[in-house]
Order: sequence, then structure tokens, then C-alpha cells
Amino acid sequence: GAVVSQHPSWVICKSGTSVKIECRSLDFQATTMFWYRQFPKQSLMLMATSNEGSKATYEQGVEKDKFLINHASLTLSTLTVTSAHPEDSSFYICSGRQGETEAFFGQGTRLTVV
Amino acid sequence: GQNIDQPTEMTATEGAIVQINCTYQTSGFNGLFWYQQHAGEAPTFLSYNVLDGLEEKGRFSSFLSRSKGYSYLLLKELQMKDSASYLCAALDSNYQLIWGAGTKLIIKP
Repeated sequence: GAVVSQHPSWVICKSGTSVKIECRSLDFQATTMFWYRQFPKQSLMLMATSNEGSKATYEQGVEKDKFLINHASLTLSTLTVTSAHPEDSSFYICSGRQGETEAFFGQGTRLTVV
Repeated sequence: GQNIDQPTEMTATEGAIVQINCTYQTSGFNGLFWYQQHAGEAPTFLSYNVLDGLEEKGRFSSFLSRSKGYSYLLLKELQMKDSASYLCAALDSNYQLIWGAGTKLIIKP
């Protein structure tokens, strides 16, 4: 299957700072990128959907000014958690889709805010 | 509303067979996925069904009944490494994935 490379795998940051997570589709063009958050023992929760070159569509309850998503090219999307707080600590996963079906996941980023 | 139901946890014995069920209610339907997720890792793709019937892929098989809004994942010859969470996800009319909460499968020797 296609590969989505997500970095960093884990990050610890101080409360109030910002963290950027990158997802790159290595062998396909991801026309759509999805960003998920997963708390322990819970399912994936979709945060936002982004299409290359346009603004991201955020799910209800997700603050767009806090979780900045950029999808400037068909191979790169970034999620920036601004002014992170301990409650933002979670497992963040991206997935890229080229057509209309299967999505390919990045490895995930475990964010811990202290 | 849209909803995916699957059991929270199942236990099976190494070498045995286990069936994980999933029922779904979505606005439109464009297929059903099964993913495997080990703790602390991202999900990995197992199967995709859009037509009724059984799809077999090695030790894993997936079944779909569109009229019943029902799917199952069948795992044969269970191995200890199969201990993981199994996520069912349906693709709705907007081609958005609706995720179940996952079934934690525990394999005992």
C-alpha cells in the first residue's frame, strides 16, 4: 500500500508553546488529508478534513484557531497545535487519500504537554 | 444519525477462530473497512467490502450484507500477534469514514 510519513513520532512540550506535526505522502498524491485525534482506549475522532489548496473543514467542537491545518501541496499537510495545554495531550494521526476509498495512515504522533 | 456498533472486547484462544461483528447506520454507503490497530500505533488496513459477500485474504476474511447493515471480520488460526484492536469503519455518501470504537481482541495461549 501507499506510504504516509508522519513526524515527529512523539513530542513533549511545555504548556503554552506550539507544536507542528507533518504528514507527507511518499508515493502518491494525497488530494485529501484527514487529521484524527485518539484518546486512550477510544476510537479515532476526526478533527478536520483538508483538500489541497483550500481551507480545511473542521468538525464540530474543534477550534480552528487552535489547530491550524495547512495542505499546501499534494504531498504535504501540517497540523499545528497552538498554545498547547495538558488537555491537548493525545495521539494525533493523519491519513491521506488519493481517490475516494482507502485511506493510508501515518504512524501517529504522541503529544504530551507538560 | 450515523452509528457504528461493535463489541468492546473479545477473548479467544491461540489457534482458534474468532468472528468480530459490526453493524452500521450511515447516510448513504460506499463501502466498509476493517483496520487493525496495535496499542500505541496507527491503524493498518485489513479489508474493504462494497459488495455483498465474503472476501478472503489469507487468515483474515471479511463479510458484508448491505441489506442488513452488517459486516464481520473472521480471523482463523489465531496467533498471539493478532492481539490488537480491530476497527470497523463505514464510508458514507460524502466518502467520509465513520469509525466504530474498536474491538479489543485478547488472545490467550
